[in-house]
Amino acid sequence: DAGVTQSPTHLIKTRGQQVTLRCSPKSGHDTVSWYQQALGQGPQFIFQYYEEEERQRGNFPDRFSGHQFPNYSSELNVNALLLGDSALYLCASSLVTGYGYTFGSGTRLTVV
Amino acid sequence: QQQVKQSPQSLIVQKGGISIINCAYENTAFDYFPWYQQFPGKGPALLIAIRPDVSEKKEGRFTISFNKSAKQFSLHIMDSQPGDSATYFCAANKGGSEKLVFGKGTKLTVNP
Repeated sequence: DAGVTQSPTHLIKTRGQQVTLRCSPKSGHDTVSWYQQALGQGPQFIFQYYEEEERQRGNFPDRFSGHQFPNYSSELNVNALLLGDSALYLCASSLVTGYGYTFGSGTRLTVV
Repeated sequence: QQQVKQSPQSLIVQKGGISIINCAYENTAFDYFPWYQQFPGKGPALLIAIRPDVSEKKEGRFTISFNKSAKQFSLHIMDSQPGDSATYFCAANKGGSEKLVFGKGTKLTVNP
């Protein structure tokens, strides 16, 4: 039973560029959430998708956007990258009716 | 505004000792309190979780103690092992698939 799969594992981008990160949820899960984890910090909630709609959103600018596909997989897009966007981006899946999240190993984004 | 405060920031314990990590929360609507373990380069993995209708939950060497009136909860790791060396995060949410609010983490080192 595959857990949460994220791609790519590492990425280096230049300031001002755009990036797309991808996530496949754990089998049977219908909800995907994205978190940003800066070095030495706890994960910060970006947004959550359920039934292809953004269900909740954290305190992140509109440069951060996402999408959920009919197969429950999800993408996180970040436009106009800033140096401060360098972080580990975590995808977590869950059941909208249940408790608990399963996290992926993350995508390490470095903005130079 | 940090809704979940975690301490200590770092902890060094000898093999066989007890590791104790504490968290305090502010939002009385929180209904689910998980602890996550994170190894370098990996995503957080659910260790143990508790809901406020019980004061303690034990799973193997890991115990959560919960004090609803004080709005505090703690993780106890009994017989700590070098393999337990990781960063531990407490978290909380309003239940179900609501967004998780994380503490800043505790880096645990268990010396052999």
